[in-house]
Amino acid sequence: AQSVAQPEDQVNVAEGNPLTVKCTYSVSGNPYLFWYVQYPNRGLQFLLKYITGDNLVKGSYGFEAEFNKSQTSFHLKKPSALVSDSALYFCAVRGVSNSGYALNFGKGTSLLVTP
Amino acid sequence: EAQVTQNPRYLITVTGKKLTVTCSQNMNHEYMSWYRQDPGLGLRQIYYSMNVEVTDKGDVPEGYKVSRKEKRNFPLILESPSPNQTSLYFCASRTGNEQYFGPGTRLTVT
Repeated sequence: AQSVAQPEDQVNVAEGNPLTVKCTYSVSGNPYLFWYVQYPNRGLQFLLKYITGDNLVKGSYGFEAEFNKSQTSFHLKKPSALVSDSALYFCAVRGVSNSGYALNFGKGTSLLVTP
Repeated sequence: EAQVTQNPRYLITVTGKKLTVTCSQNMNHEYMSWYRQDPGLGLRQIYYSMNVEVTDKGDVPEGYKVSRKEKRNFPLILESPSPNQTSLYFCASRTGNEQYFGPGTRLTVT
């Protein structure tokens, strides 16, 4: 089964510093990987995806993610964090099973950027 | 504006009282689904629909029903809600590999 793991419940970063939110995946075949962000009292918003091609994927709001096949990772990164980046971040992988083309989500990582 | 809407956004109800959460999308997407979000568990799929009149169970379908009579609407029905269905619910529609999520419905069952 396709799954992702987010090993950190919370990540704390000072504003202006680089941030990384970790995600590892387990799939059979080629992975379709996604990052979503959830701001308080809001739905999930799509940030970026990796389907094929360059290992470094650029997305919304200055975020990027690096696909690493040997380490089965898809970490989310941003060179300089903003306080407004504080939110809940979900990594997801497209699953193809009894759930059709469902997205299988990680448990989420809460990012707190302090001034 | 392309969007997925859900109603109500907040609902407090009692055990056993039937309720429906509506979901509508204006993007003409064929695929729609419902998720529930619980702390420490991420999002789990409840039901999905590949097209009108085509629905199927996701990973956690027990206690829920859905219908898809029109492409734009995909209501979630709880015939006899129980406290373990207290959760945050998201409707989503999909085109290609991108899913669009509604704003969420926070349901409390007492």
